[in-house]
Amino acid sequence: RKEVEQDPGPFNVPEGATVAFNCTYSNSASQSFFWYRQDCRKEPKLLMSVYSSGNEDGRFTAQLNRASQYISLLIRDSKLSDSATYLCVVEWKYKLSFGAGTTVTVRA
Amino acid sequence: DAGVTQSPTHLIKTRGQQVTLRCSPKSGHDTVSWYQQALGQGPQFIFQYYEEEERQRGNFPDRFSGHQFPNYSSELNVNALLLGDSALYLCASSFGQDDTEAFFGQGTRLTVV
Repeated sequence: RKEVEQDPGPFNVPEGATVAFNCTYSNSASQSFFWYRQDCRKEPKLLMSVYSSGNEDGRFTAQLNRASQYISLLIRDSKLSDSATYLCVVEWKYKLSFGAGTTVTVRA
Repeated sequence: DAGVTQSPTHLIKTRGQQVTLRCSPKSGHDTVSWYQQALGQGPQFIFQYYEEEERQRGNFPDRFSGHQFPNYSSELNVNALLLGDSALYLCASSFGQDDTEAFFGQGTRLTVV
């Protein structure tokens, strides 16, 4: 079983739409959780950390359910610039484990 | 403030050869991690260096080795290259023992022919 599993998509949505996707992780001892964004052929960049209480950063909302080992990301009012691959990341003992990514394409 | 820098950006090697990739961490960072990203996959953790020691290692064979220098820069060495080693190699830096917010370099794209 993979350490982090994500819905690969692709999600193809119009501008202004809301899109949500999630991932699951296998290691219940995981300590920290993140969403990274990766544009085509570029390096991953931290989008936001994810906390059990849920957190919001502008149009982005992340949720963590430790009991179900499930992480979600919701993007409201999608912009063309949100088109990217979103990587679910789980940390345990200094090691970051990445999902394969969810591809989102926002169309005009 | 320079971010994480990696060199070279692209590299072509022949099967069986050896390669060395280099990484300079973001200013103020003392921890360097290396990742391998195959096409269509997420980055896979190779190892992490802190205080010039390998602190954690992923599921990679001993052909993959590394080093961290006193100035916190790091090298990744891969011996006896295989076609399957073709990938984007990413270096990430962070600060301190517990801070896991990682900043990535632009990567080195290695092609083995």
